[in-house]
Amino acid sequence: AQSVAQPEDQVNVAEGNPLTVKCTYSVSGNPYLFWYVQYPNRGLQFLLKYITGDNLVKGSYGFEAEFNKSQTSFHLKKPSALVSDSALYFCAVRETSYDKVIFGPGTSLSVIP
Amino acid sequence: NAGVTQTPKFQVLKTGQSMTLQCAQDMNHEYMSWYRQDPGMGLRLIHYSVGAGITDQGEVPNGYNVSRSTTEDFPLRLLSAAPSQTSVYFCASHKGGAGNTIYFGEGSWLTVV
Repeated sequence: AQSVAQPEDQVNVAEGNPLTVKCTYSVSGNPYLFWYVQYPNRGLQFLLKYITGDNLVKGSYGFEAEFNKSQTSFHLKKPSALVSDSALYFCAVRETSYDKVIFGPGTSLSVIP
Repeated sequence: NAGVTQTPKFQVLKTGQSMTLQCAQDMNHEYMSWYRQDPGMGLRLIHYSVGAGITDQGEVPNGYNVSRSTTEDFPLRLLSAAPSQTSVYFCASHKGGAGNTIYFGEGSWLTVV
């Protein structure tokens, strides 16, 4: 069965510094990978996804993610963090042959002014 | 353009009571899902549907029922509420195809006392 791990419950970064939120996955086939962001008391918003092709995927609000098949990872990155990036970030995976989506436990990002 | 609409947004129930969380989408999406979000556990799939008349269980289905009589609606029923069902519930929908983006409702905050 597919699974997603986000090894860090909390990530703190200073404003202007680069940020990374980590995600690793386990699937039996080719993965479809997603990042979502959740602001307080709101639903989840789509950031970016990897389906196939270029391993570096660009998404909304200046975020990007790098797919690494050998390490089964899909880390979220941003070159320069903003205070407004502070939120809860979820990685998700869907196997090619299924349409169930499994989410990781989430990582809380705090950007410190 | 309403997207995914959930009602109610907030509800307090007594143990043993039943209720239905409503979910509707206006995007003609085949797939609809219900998740619950609990601190430190991310989003866990309760039930999902791949089309009208078809439903299946997710990771944590016990205590919940669903039905899908139309493409637009996917209500979640709590049969006999328990304090363990205190959570935030999210409805989601997407078109068929593993790479398609999932759209979420704004959430329903349920407290069982």
